[in-house]
Amino acid sequence: NAGVTQTPKFQVLKTGQSMTLQCAQDMNHNSMYWYRQDPGMGLRLIYYSASEGTTDKGEVPNGYNVSRLNKREFSLRLESAAPSQTSVYFCASSEFFGTGGTETQYFGPGTRLLVL
Amino acid sequence: QKEVEQNSGPLSVPEGAIASLNCTYSDRVSQSFFWYRQYSGKSPELIMSIYSNGDKEDGRFTAQLNKASQYVSLLIRDSQPSDSATYLCAVGAGGFKTIFGAGTRLFVKA
Repeated sequence: NAGVTQTPKFQVLKTGQSMTLQCAQDMNHNSMYWYRQDPGMGLRLIYYSASEGTTDKGEVPNGYNVSRLNKREFSLRLESAAPSQTSVYFCASSEFFGTGGTETQYFGPGTRLLVL
Repeated sequence: QKEVEQNSGPLSVPEGAIASLNCTYSDRVSQSFFWYRQYSGKSPELIMSIYSNGDKEDGRFTAQLNKASQYVSLLIRDSQPSDSATYLCAVGAGGFKTIFGAGTRLFVKA
């Protein structure tokens, strides 16, 4: 099992360009998440999908959109990249969006994005 | 605004010592608590989860939870240089988003 995979690993964009970050999981998890991680600020939730067919905004959704393509895949789109979106982006998944251990999150390797 | 607070460190301990990492949280209804380890340039990975007051031990790691004080800690016994990493405290409130702290950097000196 590959767990959670993300593409691309690295990306450089110019201001105003668009791109889509891809994420897939093979653990049959119901819930998926997109985070960004900036120095000194920890992981901040951008969007999440509690289950297939649903998506919701997290803490920092502005400038991003998401698509839960199917149970396995959850993509993050930057429509018009800005330098403030320079960050490391992590996708994660969990069995359920609940308690009792089912919400333990498993992270992908991350995408390092630089916006010039 | 739900918050999870950690000392950013770095926390430096000699090899073989006990490393003590602390975390406080603001949401009193929080029900689940996690410690993730993140090596430089890598993704977070779960070390421990704890749901009830008291201690939970797993090998060299012990998680401690005190809901009355809204405090959770991680003890690492017999610290090794390979334990050098950033440790993220995360708190969930059952059906709500998990909130991550900014992390504590641990450095174990050989």
